[in-house]
Amino acid sequence: DADVTQTPRNRITKTGKRIMLECSQTKGHDRMYWYRQDPGLGLRLIYYSFDVKDINKGEISDGYSVSRQAQAKFSLSLESAIPNQTALYFCATSDPPTSGQETQYFGPGTRLLVL
Amino acid sequence: KQEVTQIPAALSVPEGENLVLNCSFTDSAIYNLQWFRQDPGKGLTSLLLIQSSQREQTSGRLNASLDKSSGRSTLYIAASQPGDSATYLCAVRTQGAQKLVFGQGTRLTINP
Repeated sequence: DADVTQTPRNRITKTGKRIMLECSQTKGHDRMYWYRQDPGLGLRLIYYSFDVKDINKGEISDGYSVSRQAQAKFSLSLESAIPNQTALYFCATSDPPTSGQETQYFGPGTRLLVL
Repeated sequence: KQEVTQIPAALSVPEGENLVLNCSFTDSAIYNLQWFRQDPGKGLTSLLLIQSSQREQTSGRLNASLDKSSGRSTLYIAASQPGDSATYLCAVRTQGAQKLVFGQGTRLTINP
């Protein structure tokens, strides 16, 4: 079984709709992240959480919100979807860095199309 | 603000060749640098992580080097195989920062 799972894997929605992307992990990591990937722009951080009571904005948080329901679950919501939120969304997890080691483990991604 | 650049955006080489992928970053005060592989329809897989104090890391046919003073890292792939075809991304964590900054990636195609 995959260590980091994302649901749904693909989603088509209409402008103005509220949608939620979910992420679950079995790695026991405290840190979780949401990224979006756009062609030619690499991955950009939306939100991150270092534990259940810690939520932080990334570089492109406008239009998004998150919820850390438990150590293993981190959800991303688009309150009112717009077409430029069409992208590939990734969830990732990591342990706190020790001696420079901090590998992030990624889910398979959710492909979102906003019409 | 840390910026990470990968050139070229795409590379196509015949099977068996050795090749080098490049990554450059603007702020040399880094904590670590990672190379990831991304296959179509899948997430990212970490290949190598180089700590700030290290010059290189090796895993099988892969060797990653780090030169902080020039703001560069390279990923060397020896004896390339069609299965190496993927997009390769580098990501930098700057000292004092809590997030990774990714390059745009290099899409590599190995032709049989």
